[in-house]
Amino acid sequence: AQSVTQLGSHVSVSEGALVLLRCNYSSSVPPYLFWYVQYPNQGLQLLLKYTSAATLVKGINGFEAEFKKSETSFHLTKPSAHMSDAAEYFCAVSDFQGAQKLVFGQGTRLTINP
Amino acid sequence: SAVISQKPSRDICQRGTSLTIQCQVDSQVTMMFWYRQQPGQSLTLIATANQGSEATYESGFVIDKFPISRPNLTFSTLTVSNMSPEDSSIYLCSVVWTIVAAQYFGPGTRLLVL
Repeated sequence: AQSVTQLGSHVSVSEGALVLLRCNYSSSVPPYLFWYVQYPNQGLQLLLKYTSAATLVKGINGFEAEFKKSETSFHLTKPSAHMSDAAEYFCAVSDFQGAQKLVFGQGTRLTINP
Repeated sequence: SAVISQKPSRDICQRGTSLTIQCQVDSQVTMMFWYRQQPGQSLTLIATANQGSEATYESGFVIDKFPISRPNLTFSTLTVSNMSPEDSSIYLCSVVWTIVAAQYFGPGTRLLVL
């Protein structure tokens, strides 16, 4: 069975600082990994995805994530936080190509301090 | 990506009643899913909506409580039956966009059961 663990339910950074949101996964087969963002009172928006191509994946809004098989991690980073980045972030894993049956982590709420 | 809409966007219902949520996609998609997001929680897959056949339910979800229809490749409904306050959640539909091998979500339906 697959699972995702997001370390830290709440992360707070200052505007302009580095954003690092941690995600570790468990999968018996090569995983497909995703990061989604949920702004208040909205649905989920796909930030980026890893599907066995390049290990460093660039997404929207300046975010990127690096797949590290040896560490079973897929951490999300952004060099400089912006106030508009405040949201809930979810890491998800699928063992099917085409992103079927996503298993989500518990989410990390990102707060940006002015 | 596909444009996904849901109706209603939110509702307040009395216990014991039922609510049907609609999900409309602007293009034909093979895979459609329904998720539940309980307050302050992550997303949990309810079922896969199969076109022309019965939905495939995940463990802990049953057809009598969450009947699903999928009459064609662009539309699906989820009914929350005999509601109780524990059913208060955000219900989201999603589709797999095969070209980019990723799953996209609708804006969600926010349900409050009194």
